[in-house]
Amino acid sequence: KAGVTQTPRYLIKTRGQQVTLSCSPISGHRSVSWYQQTPGQGLQFLFEYFSETQRNKGNFPGRFSGRQFSNSRSEMNVSTLELGDSALYLCASSLATGGNKAFFGQGTRLTVV
Amino acid sequence: GDSVTQMEGPVTLSEEAFLTINCTYTATGYPSLFWYVQYPGEGLQLLLKATKADDKGSNKGFEATYRKETTSFHLEKGSVQVSDSAVYFCALDRSQGGSEKLVFGKGTKLTVNP
Repeated sequence: KAGVTQTPRYLIKTRGQQVTLSCSPISGHRSVSWYQQTPGQGLQFLFEYFSETQRNKGNFPGRFSGRQFSNSRSEMNVSTLELGDSALYLCASSLATGGNKAFFGQGTRLTVV
Repeated sequence: GDSVTQMEGPVTLSEEAFLTINCTYTATGYPSLFWYVQYPGEGLQLLLKATKADDKGSNKGFEATYRKETTSFHLEKGSVQVSDSAVYFCALDRSQGGSEKLVFGKGTKLTVNP
C-alpha cells in the first residue's frame, strides 16, 4: 500500500508569490489534514478536509487555503508569501472517523526568499 | 485551550542508556495520546498510542502509559540505540465531529552516541 505522497519535496519562492502544494493520501483514506512545522512554533494544525469539505481550521490567516478533490487528493495554497511562511508543510491522511491514526507524508520544504 | 508540554531538548545519551521523555497535557475530557517520531529529512511516523486512561502503548522497545491523574504520557525505552536518534513529538487527538486534529508538543531531539 503506497503511503502519503507530497509534491514537490522542496520549493523556493520569492516574497509576494503564491504557491500550491499537493498531497495524495493513502488509498481509501478520505480525511486529509495539513500541518506547518517551524523551529519556533513547532507543528501547527492548518486545516482538515473530508469529502471535499473543510471540516476544521487552525488559526492561520486567510492567505492559507486548501481544497480536496473527489479522489481525496488535496492541495494547499499560500498567497502573497512572507518570509515567515518558510516551513516544512506536512500532510496527513486518515480514515473517515475522528481519532484514527494519522499517516504523514515526508513533507514539502518551502523556503521563501 | 488544549496543549501538550514536552521536556526541553536536546537530549544526548550513550548507546544502551535508559531514556525518558516527559510529556504532560491539558485538555478537556480524555483524548487519545500519541508519540510520533521524525527522522532527519522525513515526515512523522506514529510510534505508539493510547486511547484511554491506564492504557500502555508500546512499539520497538518504547513504552508510554496514559496517566489521567497526572495528565502525563511519558515516553520510555530501556536501552537506546544510535538508530533511535530523531525528534520525538507527543500529541493529543482533539478531533471534533469526526474531523481529525492533532495538537503537538514542541518536540524533543534525541541524539544517541555509540
